[in-house]
Amino acid sequence: DQQVKQNSPSLSVQEGRISILNCDYTNSMFDYFLWYKKYPAEGPTFLISISSIKDKNEDGRFTVFLNKSAKHLSLHIVPSQPGDSAVYFCAASLGDDMRFGAGTRLTVKP
Amino acid sequence: EAGVAQSPRYKIIEKRQSVAFWCNPISGHATLYWYQQILGQGPKLLIQFQNNGVVDDSQLPKDRFSAERLKGVDSTLKIQPAKLEDSAVYLCASSSTTTYEQYFGPGTRLTVT
Repeated sequence: DQQVKQNSPSLSVQEGRISILNCDYTNSMFDYFLWYKKYPAEGPTFLISISSIKDKNEDGRFTVFLNKSAKHLSLHIVPSQPGDSAVYFCAASLGDDMRFGAGTRLTVKP
Repeated sequence: EAGVAQSPRYKIIEKRQSVAFWCNPISGHATLYWYQQILGQGPKLLIQFQNNGVVDDSQLPKDRFSAERLKGVDSTLKIQPAKLEDSAVYLCASSSTTTYEQYFGPGTRLTVT
């Protein structure tokens, strides 16, 4: 059951430009959404999250937007840096039950 | 604060053999998760413990997979016998009771030949 979908397997952007990663979900009961970042040979690391009662959360260069009516969230990274190159997983949770998307591989070119 | 520890990092076995993975969560985290991540997919929950009790094991293939968390701290995940389709990264994660964020270990990459 793919309750969380990341339809773009990869994204390539130029250093300094904006990266926008997208995520769609099907279960309107999800009440918390997270983005994780994963480097090769490492486990996913928590990046940023947003509660369903908000529509935006910002942390430095990272901003997550939530559109509940569209069941869509996005992660904006601006400006993008080469060190941001990684796989980004979107996750949605209902209590302890967390579902992950398949990930988007971001490449930031110098 | 030490992170989630997992061992081994890599394991190669033949099909029908058995294998065990170990996880030590972040100190004080009551909830522990085991995920399976197949190449090109997101992590899929296998089992969730709250202290030493199982909260959710609905996606654990119980005919071949087993897991325990006897003292509410460390956990082991076992596969017996392994199949080719079990080749994946097995991730352990933990969380406290006060936040939604899960903290992941580095994972164990299992290759079944």
